[in-house]
Amino acid sequence: DIQMTQSPSSLSASVGDRVTITCRASQSISTYLNWYQQKPGKAPNLLIYATSSLQSGVPSRFSGSGSVTDFTLTISSLQPEDFASYYCQQGYNTPFTFGGGTKVEVK
Amino acid sequence: EVQLVESGGDLVKPGGSLRLSCAASGFTFSYAWMSWVRQAPGKGLEWVGRIKSKTDGGTADYAAPVKGRFTISRDDSKNTVYLQMNSLKTEDTAVYYCATPSHQMANWGQGTLVTVSS
Repeated sequence: DIQMTQSPSSLSASVGDRVTITCRASQSISTYLNWYQQKPGKAPNLLIYATSSLQSGVPSRFSGSGSVTDFTLTISSLQPEDFASYYCQQGYNTPFTFGGGTKVEVK
Repeated sequence: EVQLVESGGDLVKPGGSLRLSCAASGFTFSYAWMSWVRQAPGKGLEWVGRIKSKTDGGTADYAAPVKGRFTISRDDSKNTVYLQMNSLKTEDTAVYYCATPSHQMANWGQGTLVTVSS
């Protein structure tokens, strides 16, 4: 199985900050990497698919990059509604594993 | 508008069985590959399994912790996907979500809570 390692597991940031979350796969997954946002008590929401494609309706302050085994989610200017947990997920091979998550908290 | 509505969550004893349902609307269900994802209380997301469309073979794949105990099936006439869970363990306690499509899950249900406890 492909292991997905996300870092950091949590971070504290302020509104307006640039935030970067990384995800590393245990083997090559090409660009089959997705990012989700989840708020407490809610279902996850797809932000970025195929490494860098923005899901419809997602603000352009979210962006993704990377390839092979190393990937990044960037929030260019953190907004109040962005305090949440974020998960990467590989869609290259089943089982479609998730990273452990990153909780973005208020500084 | 795509809608996924899970049901069937309950409190069940270890070793028991439960069947979850996910009713879909707003898209052509018969063509969709459907997934199940779970989240234990206070923990991260865990992929459970997925079922392909019948036109793509209709087969299912599972995560190792549930393989041999859980079965995903579909009824295209009812636009519904099922998760049959047998030999339940306390570590299966989680909110269970259905989602679609398979490789990148753009649409999710609201989740249904399964609690396995004596």
